[in-house]
Formats: sequence, C-alpha cells, structure tokens
Amino acid sequence: EVHLVESGGGLVQPGGSLRLSCAASGFTFSNYAMSWVRQAPGKGLEWVALISVSDAAGSYYADSVKGRFTISRDNSRNTLYLQVNSLRAEDTAIYYCAKATVGVPGTFDIWGRGTMVTVSS
Amino acid sequence: DIQMTQSPSSLSASVGDRVTITCRASQSISRNLDWYQHKPGKAPKLLIYAASTLQSGVPSRFSGSGSATDFTLTISSLQPEDFATYYCQQSYNTPYTFGQGTKLEIK
Repeated sequence: EVHLVESGGGLVQPGGSLRLSCAASGFTFSNYAMSWVRQAPGKGLEWVALISVSDAAGSYYADSVKGRFTISRDNSRNTLYLQVNSLRAEDTAIYYCAKATVGVPGTFDIWGRGTMVTVSS
Repeated sequence: DIQMTQSPSSLSASVGDRVTITCRASQSISRNLDWYQHKPGKAPKLLIYAASTLQSGVPSRFSGSGSATDFTLTISSLQPEDFATYYCQQSYNTPYTFGQGTKLEIK
C-alpha cells in the first residue's frame, strides 16, 4: 500500500528553522515529482513547493516561501525534505507532502496526514 | 498567478441531495483542474483530475465537468461520509493554486 508519513514539525520561535521529512513507501519514489502543501489554522490549502523527478528539471516555490524554504529529496532513502528557515508566524500550518501523478506534476494522488509547525515566541 | 474562486464557501444539505460546487479560474487552464475532499485530521483525497476523470476507487456519485475557466463538481446523492470540505486546484502551472474551499455540512 502507498504511504507518505511526515515528521519533523514542532514549536519554533520566529526566525528559527526546522527540517521536515516525508517517508515514502509502496511505490517507486524516484519516478515521481513530489510537493509540499500546507494548511494554516482555519484556512484552506496552499501549495508550497515542488521537486521534479530529476535535479535537472528543477524545483519550484510559492512566492510566500521563496528564498526561505528549500525542497529536496533522497531517492536512496525514499524521503522528501523541506528545510524551512527564517520562520514567521504566518508559516504556522500543517505541512503535507503529496505525490504527483505520472505526467502531471501538479496533480496529487497520494497525501500524508501532515506534520504541524507552530511559529511562536 | 492564477486565481481560483469556488462557490459557495459553505453549503448545508441532506443525505440523498444532489449538490453542485463551482470553480472559476482567472484565466484559461484548459482541463487542468482537480478536485479534492478533505476531512479534519485526515489526508486530503483526490476525487477528480483533468476536470472530469474519476480517480480510482472514488464512488461514481462524484462527477466533474468544465473546461477553460469554468468547472463544476457534482455529488449526485449525498452520503453521510461525503460531509467534508472540497477544494478545486489548478494543475496548469506553478504556483499551483487552490480555491478557498467549500464546507459541506449536514442540514
């Protein structure tokens, strides 16, 4: 069965950093683009970042996180990462990792249950 | 960025009702439109992709239609497990954008 399990969230002060992880199983991780999507308390879903299958095809970010967040992947560990730096109160959210479908990197057919990031002093 | 506007933002309905949610894109996105169901504490679930293709395992009471800028999600006969929040999302280009959501509640 296909699974995505996020970890690494927590309480962090403004300006702080975290590294979120997403462990994938049940599919050939290296064959799929992956994204992070977040949901702030009481708000809707917001796409955060995408990483392509290969490094050459690149990664993409929402303007709200560009320059502060970095998405990466370790195909040997079947793991997706999101390094989140210079955190702000408005980054408080549940962070979901999501697997893209074949051929359409912006359609997400498998999601994890999320990890909560709280930015507060 | 492409703006996605859903309506209504909330909806009260009864089991067995037919329900329609609409989604409008600020520019043409061809048929690059997906629908998700989200329940509190759970992972979001893909229902419909490419505007009208039912994701594997999703009940046939869910259907989608539309192209260019105007799209709809229809649930033909509401079941108790369908009460959730529904989001449209354009997969046309980055930044991928979601509608604000439609919360479907029991009347």
